[in-house]
Amino acid sequence: DIQVTQSPSSLSASVGDRVIITCRASQVISNSLAWYQQKPGRAPNLLVYATSKLESGVPSRFSGSGSGADYTLTISGLQPEDFATYYCQQYYSVPQTFGRGTKVEVK
Amino acid sequence: QIQLVQSGADVKKPGASVKLSCKASGYTFTAYYIHWVRQAPGHGLEYMGIIYPSGGTTYYAQNFQGRLTLTRNTSTATVYMELSGLSADDTAIYYCATASTGKPLGYWGQGTLVTVSS
Repeated sequence: DIQVTQSPSSLSASVGDRVIITCRASQVISNSLAWYQQKPGRAPNLLVYATSKLESGVPSRFSGSGSGADYTLTISGLQPEDFATYYCQQYYSVPQTFGRGTKVEVK
Repeated sequence: QIQLVQSGADVKKPGASVKLSCKASGYTFTAYYIHWVRQAPGHGLEYMGIIYPSGGTTYYAQNFQGRLTLTRNTSTATVYMELSGLSADDTAIYYCATASTGKPLGYWGQGTLVTVSS
């Protein structure tokens, strides 16, 4: 199975800040990397797929980058509605493993 | 629009089995895989397995092999997830999810809370 290591596990930030979350896979996953946002009591919501493609309706302040085994989610100009938990997922092979999550909290 | 509607919350005793349903609508049921993911209280997302509704092919994550069974009914566009040998560690919200070809999980059910308690 491909292991996915996500960091940090939590961070504190203020509205307007730039936030960066990283994800490292245990092997090359050929850009098959997605990012999800989850708010309490809700199902995860797909933000980014194929490393850098924004899902329809996702604000442009979200961006993804990376290659090989290393990937990044950047939120440029954090908004109040962005305080949530973020997960990366590799879908290169089954099981489609998730990172452990990053909780973005108010500073 | 694609929708996945899951069955309601359930409470089970240790050692019992639970069978949840996930009814799909808004697309051709046999076209897309359906995945199952669970989330224990206060924890992250755990991938459980996948079923291809067209032929019924399944894959189960190693943590669930021997305990997890995914089936489907193409006439009702419903996928079923059965987990046996329940313990308190299986207390979680169970989600079904699907994706259009080549994409990750873009559509999720609302989740079903399963509580395992004596």
